[in-house]
Amino acid sequence: QQQVKQSPQSLIVQKGGISIINCAYENTAFDYFPWYQQFPGKGPALLIAIRPDVSEKKEGRFTISFNKSAKQFSLHIMDSQPGDSATYFCAANMDSNYQLIWGAGTKLIIKP
Amino acid sequence: NAGVTQTPKFQVLKTGQSMTLQCAQDMNHNSMYWYRQDPGMGLRLIYYSASEGTTDKGEVPNGYNVSRLNKREFSLRLESAAPSQTSVYFCASIETGGPYEQYFGPGTRLTVT
Repeated sequence: QQQVKQSPQSLIVQKGGISIINCAYENTAFDYFPWYQQFPGKGPALLIAIRPDVSEKKEGRFTISFNKSAKQFSLHIMDSQPGDSATYFCAANMDSNYQLIWGAGTKLIIKP
Repeated sequence: NAGVTQTPKFQVLKTGQSMTLQCAQDMNHNSMYWYRQDPGMGLRLIYYSASEGTTDKGEVPNGYNVSRLNKREFSLRLESAAPSQTSVYFCASIETGGPYEQYFGPGTRLTVT
């Protein structure tokens, strides 16, 4: 019930294409769903986050789509660039608990 | 404003040796966390401290101890290192009361031989 399942494990996309990473959760009490981006040799950093009261949130080329009934959320990177090559983690938590439950990560490679 | 700092950046230990990983944050955050990151397994929580003076076990606490020295500092100790503890260790902090963004340090790459 506490798990967040992330797919795919790795993804290769051509420059200019759309990168899509998916996550699924079980615990309906989760109410905060962030995506973190991690470059090699660095710690993860918050990229974008969503609450379940909206179905989509967009920040620049990055969009989270949220499907509450299916208990799924996804990250879409439009016009993917080589600089987007990184590992992406989805996560979830409840406001009452400051622990994040993390997905296993997706290594994204954007080919020039 | 340095954010979250960690020392050392790299460390090699022999099996059975002990060491302490240091973490400090200058953002006046209440909650701090220690994670380990292994390939294909994402981030796993070792211990966390919701506030100064409190610590709690996370998902993988065995073989580790922690100390919340003050509001700024949260250390992780390996009393008797094992090869299974070879990993990259990240410290993070969060501003309680929202918006729940975790700020991460640069990590410590630990190898136990």
